[in-house]
Amino acid sequence: AQKITQTQPGMFVQEKEAVTLDCTYDTSDQSYGLFWYKQPSSGEMIFLIYQGSYDEQNATEGRYSLNFQKARKSANLVISASQLGDSAMYFCAMREGPGTASKLTFGTGTRLQVTL
Amino acid sequence: GAVVSQHPSWVICKSGTSVKIECRSLDFQATTMFWYRQFPKQSLMLMATSNEGSKATYEQGVEKDKFLINHASLTLSTLTVTSAHPEDSSFYICSARIPSGGTDTQYFGPGTRLTVL
Repeated sequence: AQKITQTQPGMFVQEKEAVTLDCTYDTSDQSYGLFWYKQPSSGEMIFLIYQGSYDEQNATEGRYSLNFQKARKSANLVISASQLGDSAMYFCAMREGPGTASKLTFGTGTRLQVTL
Repeated sequence: GAVVSQHPSWVICKSGTSVKIECRSLDFQATTMFWYRQFPKQSLMLMATSNEGSKATYEQGVEKDKFLINHASLTLSTLTVTSAHPEDSSFYICSARIPSGGTDTQYFGPGTRLTVL
C-alpha cells in the first residue's frame, strides 16, 4: 500500500480563493510527522508546514494551514487567498517514527494552477 | 528557513564520465544529509542517507558503487555519479536535516539537473 497518497494530480483555483490539497497516509507508528513542500518550476523544494502526530492543534503558517484528521489519516493542506505565485507542484511527505534516520516518504504530488 | 546549496545547478556530460555534485548547508551543521532523485513529472525517490563521518546508507535498488557519497564534514556532502550513462539523466536534489525538538525538518537544495549524452 502507498504510504502517502495524493489523489489530485492537478487542481485549479482562482486568485484570492482558498484551495485544499488532499493527502492521506498509512502508518502503524504512533509517532510520525507530516510535511508539505512546494516545488515551483525551478525545481527547488520549499518547506511549507509541519504537523506532528501528537500535535493537538492544526498547524498554521501564514496562508498555509494543515487540516489534520488523525482518525482518518489525512493531512490536507489549505492555502487561503491564493496568489499567482502559488502555482507549483505540492508534495505531501511523512516521516515515520522518532530516531535519527528521519527518512521522508513523498506522495506523487498535486500540480496547482492559480488563475486570474 | 535554513539554507542548503547545491553545485552545479546543471551539468551535461558524456557517457562514461563521472560527475560530482556538492551539497552544502550554509548556516547550520548537518550531521545527516539525504540524496534524492526525481524523474520528470514524478515524485522524489530517496537514494541514500549521508551521515557525517560514516558510510552512507543506501536505499534498496540503488547501486552504491555507482552513486558514491561522501560526507566529510558537517556542512558538505558529495554525490559522485560514476561512469554515467544516459539513463542516469535526472534531477538530483539533496536535503539537510535540522534536528529541532522533534520536527526533524529537511531543508532542500535547489537541485542539480544531470544530462548524460
